[in-house]
Amino acid sequence: AQTVTQSQPEMSVQEAETVTLSCTYDTSESNYYLFWYKQPPSRQMILVIRQEAYKQQNATENRFSVNFQKAAKSFSLKISDSQLGDTAMYFCAFMKHLWTASKLTFGTGTRLQVTL
Amino acid sequence: DVKVTQSSRYLVKRTGEKVFLECVQDMDHENMFWYRQDPGLGLRLIYFSYDVKMKEKGDIPEGYSVSREKKERFSLILESASTNQTSMYLCASSLGRGKLFFGSGTQLSVL
Repeated sequence: AQTVTQSQPEMSVQEAETVTLSCTYDTSESNYYLFWYKQPPSRQMILVIRQEAYKQQNATENRFSVNFQKAAKSFSLKISDSQLGDTAMYFCAFMKHLWTASKLTFGTGTRLQVTL
Repeated sequence: DVKVTQSSRYLVKRTGEKVFLECVQDMDHENMFWYRQDPGLGLRLIYFSYDVKMKEKGDIPEGYSVSREKKERFSLILESASTNQTSMYLCASSLGRGKLFFGSGTQLSVL
């Protein structure tokens, strides 16, 4: 079974600064997907970024980027130029590569507060 | 714009009641999911469905059942609600590749 660990329950960053959220996972699979999902105070979760394990290049979506270290089973999220709207819970998630039904295993989440 | 709608945002029920949580998606997605979210535990999968009338147990199915009679609707049923089922319930749908579309959640309190 896969496990996803987020060791930072809460973090805080000032507006315009950069913050990195950590995630580690454990799996015996060689091909898989990793994700970061964001849950703002409105509670509706949205996908932030996706990484395919067989791709060497780290995924980037505007101010969001990941540092994917396959050997270390580490998948951190970097948010650059933090904005107040980035305040949310962030969940790291894992999916087996061939599981087309999108069954995800989630971590416990990191609550990020962006301050003025 | 894609939409997943959960019937109630907040719900209060008594122990032993039968509870129905409804979820409707308008994206013609084949896959639908029910997750439970608890502080410090993250999201845990209760049940999922990959087609009409098809369902599979997730990681914590005990005390729950589901129904999917139509493609757009996926219902979670608590046969006899208990206090340890007080939680946030999230419904999601997906076409695949891990991109889930979530509803806004139902905060269920069982007294």
